[in-house]
Amino acid sequence: NAGVTQTPKFRVLKTGQSMTLLCAQDMNHEYMYWYRQDPGMGLRLIHYSVGEGTTAKGEVPDGYNVSRLKKQNFLLGLESAAPSQTSVYFCASSSFRRTIYNEQFFGPGTRLTVL
Amino acid sequence: DAKTTQPPSMDCAEGRAANLPCNHSTISGNEYVYWYRQIHSQGPQYIIHGLKNNETNEMASLIITEDRKSSTLILPHATLRDTAVYYCIRGETSGSRLTFGEGTQLTVNP
Repeated sequence: NAGVTQTPKFRVLKTGQSMTLLCAQDMNHEYMYWYRQDPGMGLRLIHYSVGEGTTAKGEVPDGYNVSRLKKQNFLLGLESAAPSQTSVYFCASSSFRRTIYNEQFFGPGTRLTVL
Repeated sequence: DAKTTQPPSMDCAEGRAANLPCNHSTISGNEYVYWYRQIHSQGPQYIIHGLKNNETNEMASLIITEDRKSSTLILPHATLRDTAVYYCIRGETSGSRLTFGEGTQLTVNP
């Protein structure tokens, strides 16, 4: 049981380049999330998904797109990377049960630098 | 404002109890208090949550004041491995769409 995995672990981009970050979970969770964390700050929600084929904007969605074609995968895309997107990106997943708290399980993070 | 207020840093001696405070004076009646921690840039890890009553699990205890305006996370016997940033978060029942603040950097000293 690998939990939540993220690919790649590190990446350096030049301004204007594009890339896709992959998140995978093997816990059959309905919800998946993408966060970013800048130095000395807490995590901020970029986008999230409540199920296969659905996505929604979080707190800081601009400059990112996401897709959830399969329940176990959640992709985060940067179409034209900017230095302001230099950050650590965390993916998380959780189940959804209405009357019970659903803790979020986080991946190890992807460290992205945009030059 | 959905944020909570925590001290930026705290120190604790190894083996002693670590008491981490959190202010959430504008919490609404159906919002829970959640605690997560992040060890050295790893992904955050869930610790505990509560609504009105005090809660305890294998990791920690959570004490919520009667007026629910503040709470305290207690690590009963802190170890060096408890050194981390601790986040106090208020949110809906499902636990989705967490709003992280800057948290408290807890340093456990030998």
